[in-house]
Amino acid sequence: ETGVTQTPRHLVMGMTNKKSLKCEQHLGHNAMYWYKQSAKKPLELMFVYNFKEQTENNSVPSRFSPECPNSSHLFLHLHTLQPEDSALYLCASSQVGLAGTSPYEQYFGPGTRLTVT
Amino acid sequence: AQSVSQHNHHVILSEAASLELGCNYSYGGTVNLFWYVQYPGQHLQLLLKYFSGDPLVKGIKGFEAEFIKSKFSFNLRKPSVQWSDTAEYFCAVNNQGGKLIFGQGTELSVKP
Repeated sequence: ETGVTQTPRHLVMGMTNKKSLKCEQHLGHNAMYWYKQSAKKPLELMFVYNFKEQTENNSVPSRFSPECPNSSHLFLHLHTLQPEDSALYLCASSQVGLAGTSPYEQYFGPGTRLTVT
Repeated sequence: AQSVSQHNHHVILSEAASLELGCNYSYGGTVNLFWYVQYPGQHLQLLLKYFSGDPLVKGIKGFEAEFIKSKFSFNLRKPSVQWSDTAEYFCAVNNQGGKLIFGQGTELSVKP
């Protein structure tokens, strides 16, 4: 498979459940990102991983926990979510320089549509 | 804080009409600029990008955008839209620090 893949594509979970979102990039990139896309709002950057190290946590609640075991895989572990966390969660990857700078474009996966009941 | 503003939330056009979507950003340094498109049910795709050089950049599917540094703008244009251009369009700015800032998106509906 090519590009950026995400599983599952749809997820419905209760507020007491624990689930994980998975992202895999097949582009040889060294940086990966999680975004939240809610209706009528700009994409919100959640987390950034450069060279497997987390370099950005954009004030995300601790009920969202990222994990990046290698440069090709990124997970988002979810627990005790709230209904307002329902959204489309997008993963992206890009190539960055050694200092983490990135003039390059990001490539996005199809997203996981999350509904919290 | 760096921000990106897209002036139109929803644009409705008939086929063959010309399109211009506005995008302004607030950052005084060197920037890289992008337009992404999200077709219904599909993932975000890059339409075009500006890094340096000619401020008029051409992208896929007949789209182009012009970077006007003095106006902090990067407007997207297409001379003649098609029904298949119905999608949501996002402007994004990267200050080369690895962080992509998106506008809130413009939904384009093209009537056949």
